[in-house]
Amino acid sequence: EVQLAESGGGLVQPGGSLRLSCEASGFTFSSDYMSWVRQAPGKGPEWVANIKPDGSEEYYEDSVKGRFTISRDNAKNSLYLQMNSLRVEDTAVYYCARVSRWLVWSYWGPGTLVTVSS
Amino acid sequence: AIQLTQSPPSLSASVGDRVTINCRASQGIRSNLGWYQQRPGKAPKVLIYAASSLESGVPSRFSGSGSGTDFTLTISSLQPEDFAMYYCQHYNSYPLTFGGGTKVEIK
Repeated sequence: EVQLAESGGGLVQPGGSLRLSCEASGFTFSSDYMSWVRQAPGKGPEWVANIKPDGSEEYYEDSVKGRFTISRDNAKNSLYLQMNSLRVEDTAVYYCARVSRWLVWSYWGPGTLVTVSS
Repeated sequence: AIQLTQSPPSLSASVGDRVTINCRASQGIRSNLGWYQQRPGKAPKVLIYAASSLESGVPSRFSGSGSGTDFTLTISSLQPEDFAMYYCQHYNSYPLTFGGGTKVEIK
Protein backbone atom coordinates (compact mmCIF):
# COMPACT_ATOMS: atom_id res chain seq x y z
CA GLU A 1 0.00 0.00 0.00
CA VAL A 2 1.34 3.40 -0.99
CA GLN A 3 1.80 5.72 1.97
CA LEU A 4 3.10 9.27 2.22
CA ALA A 5 3.59 10.97 5.56
CA GLU A 6 4.60 14.61 5.92
CA SER A 7 6.19 16.13 9.00
CA GLY A 8 7.93 19.31 10.05
CA GLY A 9 5.11 21.83 9.91
CA GLY A 10 4.46 24.36 12.64
CA LEU A 11 4.36 28.02 13.58
CA VAL A 12 7.18 30.23 12.33
CA GLN A 13 7.73 33.99 12.24
CA PRO A 14 7.91 35.90 8.95
CA GLY A 15 11.44 35.67 7.56
CA GLY A 16 12.03 32.36 9.30
CA SER A 17 12.83 28.91 7.94
CA LEU A 18 11.29 25.48 8.13
CA ARG A 19 12.14 22.09 6.63
CA LEU A 20 9.37 19.71 5.69
CA SER A 21 9.91 15.99 5.26
CA CYS A 22 7.86 13.31 3.55
CA GLU A 23 8.47 9.64 4.18
CA ALA A 24 7.30 7.35 1.38
CA SER A 25 6.54 3.64 1.39
CA GLY A 26 4.75 1.01 -0.68
CA PHE A 27 6.25 1.90 -4.06
CA THR A 28 9.61 2.31 -5.77
CA PHE A 29 10.29 5.86 -4.63
CA SER A 30 13.39 6.28 -6.77
CA SER A 31 11.39 5.75 -9.98
CA ASP A 32 8.86 8.56 -9.62
CA TYR A 33 8.66 12.31 -9.87
CA MET A 34 7.53 13.80 -6.57
CA SER A 35 5.80 17.07 -5.76
CA TRP A 36 4.90 19.47 -3.02
CA VAL A 37 1.44 21.02 -3.32
CA ARG A 38 0.03 23.49 -0.81
CA GLN A 39 -3.39 24.79 0.08
CA ALA A 40 -3.97 28.02 1.97
CA PRO A 41 -6.96 28.13 4.32
CA GLY A 42 -10.18 28.39 2.32
CA LYS A 43 -8.35 28.40 -1.02
CA GLY A 44 -7.71 25.91 -3.78
CA PRO A 45 -4.59 23.77 -4.13
CA GLU A 46 -1.42 25.35 -5.51
CA TRP A 47 1.51 23.45 -6.97
CA VAL A 48 4.81 24.38 -5.28
CA ALA A 49 7.63 22.24 -6.68
CA ASN A 50 8.55 19.05 -8.54
CA ILE A 51 11.69 16.95 -8.55
CA LYS A 52 12.86 14.31 -11.01
CA PRO A 53 13.28 10.69 -9.85
CA ASP A 54 17.07 10.97 -9.65
CA GLY A 55 16.96 14.47 -8.16
CA SER A 56 18.80 15.96 -11.12
CA GLU A 57 16.19 18.62 -11.93
CA GLU A 58 13.81 20.73 -9.90
CA TYR A 59 10.89 22.93 -10.91
CA TYR A 60 9.28 25.70 -8.87
CA GLU A 61 6.26 27.92 -8.79
CA ASP A 62 7.35 31.52 -9.33
CA SER A 63 6.47 32.86 -5.88
CA VAL A 64 8.75 30.34 -4.12
CA LYS A 65 11.73 30.41 -6.51
CA GLY A 66 14.90 31.36 -4.67
CA ARG A 67 13.26 30.77 -1.27
CA PHE A 68 12.23 27.10 -1.33
CA THR A 69 14.33 24.06 -2.27
CA ILE A 70 12.93 20.63 -3.02
CA SER A 71 15.23 17.65 -2.55
CA ARG A 72 15.08 13.90 -2.07
CA ASP A 73 17.06 11.05 -0.57
CA ASN A 74 16.20 7.91 -2.52
CA ALA A 75 18.14 5.74 -0.08
CA LYS A 76 15.81 6.91 2.69
CA ASN A 77 12.63 7.05 0.54
CA SER A 78 12.27 10.64 1.63
CA LEU A 79 11.29 13.97 0.06
CA TYR A 80 12.11 17.34 1.56
CA LEU A 81 11.13 20.99 1.22
CA GLN A 82 13.49 23.57 2.69
CA MET A 83 11.56 26.82 3.10
CA ASN A 84 13.47 30.04 3.78
CA SER A 85 12.41 33.69 4.00
CA LEU A 86 8.90 32.60 4.84
CA ARG A 87 6.05 35.02 4.29
CA VAL A 88 2.58 35.26 5.82
CA GLU A 89 1.17 34.19 2.43
CA ASP A 90 3.07 30.89 2.65
CA THR A 91 0.65 29.80 5.38
CA ALA A 92 -0.96 26.60 4.13
CA VAL A 93 -1.30 22.87 4.46
CA TYR A 94 1.62 21.37 2.55
CA TYR A 95 1.06 18.04 0.82
CA CYS A 96 3.63 15.62 -0.50
CA ALA A 97 2.31 13.92 -3.66
CA ARG A 98 3.46 11.16 -5.99
CA VAL A 99 3.30 11.86 -9.72
CA SER A 100 1.77 8.95 -11.60
CA ARG A 101 2.86 7.65 -15.00
CA TRP A 102 -0.05 9.71 -16.35
CA LEU A 103 1.45 12.87 -14.80
CA VAL A 104 -1.34 13.45 -12.29
CA TRP A 105 -1.03 13.24 -8.51
CA SER A 106 -2.21 9.72 -7.77
CA TYR A 107 -1.24 9.61 -4.09
CA TRP A 108 -1.15 12.33 -1.47
CA GLY A 109 -0.07 12.49 2.14
CA PRO A 110 -2.44 13.85 4.81
CA GLY A 111 -0.57 17.17 4.80
CA THR A 112 1.28 19.25 7.38
CA LEU A 113 0.21 22.74 8.41
CA VAL A 114 2.67 25.62 8.14
CA THR A 115 1.63 28.85 9.80
CA VAL A 116 3.69 31.99 9.22
CA SER A 117 2.75 34.63 11.74
CA SER A 118 4.29 37.04 14.21
CA ALA B 1 1.47 30.75 -16.92
CA ILE B 2 -1.56 28.91 -18.25
CA GLN B 3 -4.74 29.95 -16.46
CA LEU B 4 -7.64 27.57 -15.94
CA THR B 5 -11.12 29.06 -15.52
CA GLN B 6 -13.75 26.79 -14.02
CA SER B 7 -17.48 27.31 -14.24
CA PRO B 8 -19.71 27.48 -12.43
CA PRO B 9 -17.97 28.37 -9.12
CA SER B 10 -20.74 26.53 -7.31
CA LEU B 11 -23.88 24.58 -8.07
CA SER B 12 -26.76 23.04 -6.17
CA ALA B 13 -28.04 19.67 -7.28
CA SER B 14 -30.04 16.73 -6.03
CA VAL B 15 -29.10 13.09 -5.70
CA GLY B 16 -29.56 11.47 -9.09
CA ASP B 17 -28.98 14.66 -11.08
CA ARG B 18 -26.58 14.90 -13.98
CA VAL B 19 -23.91 17.51 -13.26
CA THR B 20 -21.49 19.20 -15.63
CA ILE B 21 -18.45 21.27 -14.65
CA ASN B 22 -16.45 23.21 -17.22
CA CYS B 23 -12.77 24.16 -17.37
CA ARG B 24 -11.29 26.53 -19.96
CA ALA B 25 -7.54 26.94 -20.47
CA SER B 26 -5.99 30.27 -21.47
CA GLN B 27 -4.05 28.47 -24.20
CA GLY B 28 -4.10 25.02 -25.75
CA ILE B 29 -3.00 22.20 -23.47
CA ARG B 30 -3.84 19.23 -25.72
CA SER B 31 -5.27 16.59 -23.38
CA ASN B 32 -2.91 17.31 -20.50
CA LEU B 33 -5.61 17.85 -17.90
CA GLY B 34 -6.74 16.10 -14.75
CA TRP B 35 -9.78 16.44 -12.51
CA TYR B 36 -9.70 16.14 -8.71
CA GLN B 37 -12.34 15.81 -6.02
CA GLN B 38 -11.69 17.24 -2.56
CA ARG B 39 -13.77 16.69 0.52
CA PRO B 40 -13.39 18.97 3.59
CA GLY B 41 -10.22 18.34 5.56
CA LYS B 42 -8.91 15.79 3.05
CA ALA B 43 -6.30 15.80 0.31
CA PRO B 44 -7.51 16.01 -3.29
CA LYS B 45 -8.25 12.74 -5.03
CA VAL B 46 -7.65 12.28 -8.75
CA LEU B 47 -10.70 11.25 -10.77
CA ILE B 48 -9.65 11.76 -14.41
CA TYR B 49 -6.32 12.00 -16.22
CA ALA B 50 -5.50 12.80 -19.83
CA ALA B 51 -8.79 14.73 -19.98
CA SER B 52 -10.97 11.66 -20.40
CA SER B 53 -9.35 8.61 -18.79
CA LEU B 54 -10.90 7.31 -15.58
CA GLU B 55 -8.46 6.75 -12.72
CA SER B 56 -8.46 3.21 -11.37
CA GLY B 57 -11.08 2.70 -8.66
CA VAL B 58 -13.13 5.78 -9.56
CA PRO B 59 -16.84 5.11 -10.20
CA SER B 60 -17.92 5.08 -13.83
CA ARG B 61 -20.50 7.82 -13.21
CA PHE B 62 -17.56 10.23 -13.52
CA SER B 63 -16.39 11.08 -17.03
CA GLY B 64 -14.26 13.72 -18.68
CA SER B 65 -14.10 15.14 -22.16
CA GLY B 66 -12.41 17.84 -24.19
CA SER B 67 -9.04 18.79 -25.59
CA GLY B 68 -7.19 21.96 -26.48
CA THR B 69 -8.79 24.69 -24.37
CA ASP B 70 -12.23 23.41 -23.34
CA PHE B 71 -12.87 20.54 -20.96
CA THR B 72 -15.80 19.06 -19.07
CA LEU B 73 -16.27 16.84 -16.04
CA THR B 74 -19.63 15.07 -15.92
CA ILE B 75 -21.21 13.18 -13.06
CA SER B 76 -23.98 11.15 -14.64
CA SER B 77 -26.03 10.50 -11.50
CA LEU B 78 -24.99 12.46 -8.42
CA GLN B 79 -24.55 10.40 -5.27
CA PRO B 80 -24.47 11.68 -1.64
CA GLU B 81 -20.71 11.15 -1.42
CA ASP B 82 -20.14 13.36 -4.49
CA PHE B 83 -20.95 16.60 -2.69
CA ALA B 84 -17.48 18.15 -2.59
CA MET B 85 -15.12 20.58 -4.32
CA TYR B 86 -13.87 19.77 -7.81
CA TYR B 87 -10.72 21.15 -9.43
CA CYS B 88 -9.23 20.86 -12.89
CA GLN B 89 -5.42 20.96 -13.21
CA HIS B 90 -3.15 21.06 -16.24
CA TYR B 91 0.23 19.43 -16.64
CA ASN B 92 1.05 20.67 -20.13
CA SER B 93 4.01 22.78 -19.01
CA TYR B 94 5.49 24.41 -15.94
CA PRO B 95 4.12 26.08 -13.88
CA LEU B 96 1.40 23.56 -13.15
CA THR B 97 -1.85 25.27 -12.24
CA PHE B 98 -5.31 24.46 -10.91
CA GLY B 99 -8.67 25.93 -11.76
CA GLY B 100 -10.49 27.97 -9.15
CA GLY B 101 -12.75 25.10 -8.15
CA THR B 102 -16.45 24.22 -8.27
CA LYS B 103 -18.39 23.50 -5.11
CA VAL B 104 -21.13 20.92 -5.59
CA GLU B 105 -23.76 21.38 -2.90
CA ILE B 106 -26.94 19.60 -1.95
CA LYS B 107 -30.13 21.26 -3.19
